[in-house]
Amino acid sequence: DSGVTQTPKHLITATGQRVTLRCSPRSGDLSVYWYQQSLDQGLQFLIHYYNGEERAKGNILERFSAQQFPDLHSELNLSSLELGDSALYFCASSVDGRSTFGSGTRLTVV
Amino acid sequence: GENVEQHPSTLSVQEGDSAVIKCTYSDSASNYFPWYKQELGKRPQLIIDIRSNVGEKKDQRIAVTLNKTAKHFSLHITETQPEDSAVYFCAASATSGTYKYIFGTGTRLKVLA
Repeated sequence: DSGVTQTPKHLITATGQRVTLRCSPRSGDLSVYWYQQSLDQGLQFLIHYYNGEERAKGNILERFSAQQFPDLHSELNLSSLELGDSALYFCASSVDGRSTFGSGTRLTVV
Repeated sequence: GENVEQHPSTLSVQEGDSAVIKCTYSDSASNYFPWYKQELGKRPQLIIDIRSNVGEKKDQRIAVTLNKTAKHFSLHITETQPEDSAVYFCAASATSGTYKYIFGTGTRLKVLA
């Protein structure tokens, strides 16, 4: 157990739908990073939150959004889903750059 | 834009031999370089990292070298074992308020018994 908790582990949904992925960082970690891993794109950085504030954005689509709550858990919202959004979504929490990844949420869009 | 190239994409070695994976980064502001191992269906796990003020770091059978001038860094695994078989990712990060990683495309390492 890495200490980073992601739910759900698996998600199957239809095109056009909206889903929310949840991440709880390790106790004491203020940073949450979101990454997308797909077969053709590898591991792609999406967004970074630190103590509730957005710190950096990567190749995150406008249909995707995220937030970090006062208790430091984070949610990644994916809307108007397309087949190409099927991927593994990881969150990670970080101390001094060393990121610990959660087990991921496997999203399948059908 | 920022980019990290990783080679080779696949690597097969005999058990006991050494394996070397190489990465090149483009952002000269990068100063933190972690390596992650990912087994099938599992999360990436940090195996070693190096910061730009150091040229080499070793941890048992694993070592990483960094050449900032050439923007190259490499992972060296000695005395490989079957359990080393996995996908290895290099990453680069510039620490300016964030440690967002730019990942390489991964190397699938197979250690043949």
